[in-house]
Amino acid sequence: AQSVTQPDIHITVSEGASLELRCNYSYGATPYLFWYVQSPGQGLQLLLKYFSGDTLVQGIKGFEAEFKRSQSSFNLRKPSVHWSDAAEYFCAVALNNEGNMLTFGGGTRLMVKP
Amino acid sequence: NAGVMQNPRHLVRRRGQEARLRCSPMKGHSHVYWYRQLPEEGLKFMVYLQKENIIDESGMPKERFSAEFPKEGPSILRIQQVVRGDSAAYFCASSPPGLAKNIQYFGAGTRLSVL
Repeated sequence: AQSVTQPDIHITVSEGASLELRCNYSYGATPYLFWYVQSPGQGLQLLLKYFSGDTLVQGIKGFEAEFKRSQSSFNLRKPSVHWSDAAEYFCAVALNNEGNMLTFGGGTRLMVKP
Repeated sequence: NAGVMQNPRHLVRRRGQEARLRCSPMKGHSHVYWYRQLPEEGLKFMVYLQKENIIDESGMPKERFSAEFPKEGPSILRIQQVVRGDSAAYFCASSPPGLAKNIQYFGAGTRLSVL
């Protein structure tokens, strides 16, 4: 069965600093990869996705992620964090494009210092 | 185009009561998924439905939980005889048919508290 690991449970960065959130997956083939953000008391918003092609994908709110097949990773990055980015971030995978369930990582809670 | 609508947003039940959670997918979406988020954890898949069909219920507890997505009306997640361990946030997601069916859009969730 596939699994998703987000090694960092909490991360604190200063406003304006760069950010990288780690995500590793375990699966025999290349899955479909997603990053979602959840603000307190809210649902999940899709930041970006990778299905195939260019391994560096751009998302909303200035986020990007890079798929590295050799490392089974899909890390999320942002060059300059804003206070409004404070939230919980979830990496997720789907096995195929057949309307499959998403398997989520445990999440990384991001705090932003002024 | 309204997003995925879930109601109620908050639901309080006493042990032994029934909980009914509703989800109206985005317009044009024919796939509905239910996920459960326990405190301080990620989301766990429960069930995947299309209109009038359960496609995958591998994540549903064997007892007390059921889901439906009728031809008309919202999808319903039903929990009978709730226990304290059912307290969680329940999220519904929907996706369109065709090639984009793997892109799931989430509702704001229903937070169930069992007293």
